[in-house]
Amino acid sequence: GQQVMQIPQYQHVQEGEDFTTYCNSSTTLSNIQWYKQRPGGHPVFLIQLVKSGEVKKQKRLTFQFGEAKKNSSLHITATQTTDVGTYFCARTNAGKSTFGDGTTLTVKP
Amino acid sequence: NAGVTQTPKFRVLKTGQSMTLLCAQDMNHEYMYWYRQDPGMGLRLIHYSVGEGTTAKGEVPDGYNVSRLKKQNFLLGLESAAPSQTSVYFCASSYGRDSTDTQYFGPGTRLTVL
Repeated sequence: GQQVMQIPQYQHVQEGEDFTTYCNSSTTLSNIQWYKQRPGGHPVFLIQLVKSGEVKKQKRLTFQFGEAKKNSSLHITATQTTDVGTYFCARTNAGKSTFGDGTTLTVKP
Repeated sequence: NAGVTQTPKFRVLKTGQSMTLLCAQDMNHEYMYWYRQDPGMGLRLIHYSVGEGTTAKGEVPDGYNVSRLKKQNFLLGLESAAPSQTSVYFCASSYGRDSTDTQYFGPGTRLTVL
């Protein structure tokens, strides 16, 4: 199927360090969405990227969509304990979404 | 608005028992989805619906059935539960206006099959 691969699977950082997760596809993506799931919670939509090379920022979070629209990244600057959780990317097509396996971030205070 | 709600929140079944999970949304969304999430894994689409009275298979439909008799409700049925169906089940909905819709998730149902 049309999968999206995420790396790394886990990331442990010290509070204040930066964090990046990557999402890759073997085929061109029409769009990419990012979700965050807190421990014990449900996925919550963060952002959607549609244009080639697009960069969007939300406070300390920076989202990028590759020029070839085959990859995307989420970068968090100066992590805080509130950033803990699993970050998922997802591709959508005709109403169906395919999620990556996620990157689980833990932050040591 | 309550958003997306799911009942029940927790359930323990014995192998072979049946049950129905209920998802309700009050946002007038056209599209609704059922996912399962296993430890350390992402969300896998079980079934989805693009409108009242329509359903379609997702990535892992075997062992599950669904119905969308009313626009606001999407039911997921397990006719004969198996231990492999132990998982967290999430329902989601979206406007369905185009393929880039964002999805709004319910709080999940934790199902254990013994």
